[in-house]
Amino acid sequence: GNSVTQMEGPVTLSEEAFLTINCTYTATGYPSLFWYVQYPGEGLQLLLKATKADDKGSNKGFEATYRKETTSFHLEKGSVQVSDSAVYFCALIQRDDMRFGAGTRLTVKP
Amino acid sequence: NAGVTQTPKFQVLKTGQSMTLQCAQDMNHEYMSWYRQDPGMGLRLIHYSVGAGITDQGEVPNGYNVSRSTTEDFPLRLLSAAPSQTSVYFCASSYGPAGGVVGYEQYFGPGTRLTVT
Repeated sequence: GNSVTQMEGPVTLSEEAFLTINCTYTATGYPSLFWYVQYPGEGLQLLLKATKADDKGSNKGFEATYRKETTSFHLEKGSVQVSDSAVYFCALIQRDDMRFGAGTRLTVKP
Repeated sequence: NAGVTQTPKFQVLKTGQSMTLQCAQDMNHEYMSWYRQDPGMGLRLIHYSVGAGITDQGEVPNGYNVSRSTTEDFPLRLLSAAPSQTSVYFCASSYGPAGGVVGYEQYFGPGTRLTVT
């Protein structure tokens, strides 16, 4: 079946550092891929998405490219801020099958 | 717009008790889903609905029932609570299917933290 494997955390970075959170998936065909973010005490919010191979999703300085050849959707940001501290979830959705990764907790220190 | 609302925020149940977690949305979304979030496991889909009167099972449906009599409401019923159902429950809604070419955004509620003793 479909699955998502996400880099385990927690990840601690200093402000302005480069961020990469790895995400790989297993699926047949071409699923849609998402990154969601969860701030403390809140529900998840969509950060970015890509619905076909080679698409790049971007939002708030975050980027991720849908790589079919490596079945990956890694999240990157060039310069993180304290306000980026949150839990990040990679997700795969194919028809009505929705799979989320375990989440990666990011803490950014000033 | 209130978005997606969930009640209660916290609940403690004894084993064997039943209860209903409420979820409502005011965005006229057709698609609604229930997830549970457990440490180290991310979110897992319990049940979902693609419109009023239509529901289907997700990855972990056992021990839960749902119904969708209106577009706005999608309650989740625990029939006989067990300690394994201790979790944080999230309801989500979207205008269209979350997968596919468009990939509609899912809007999540704030969650219900349930403890079963």
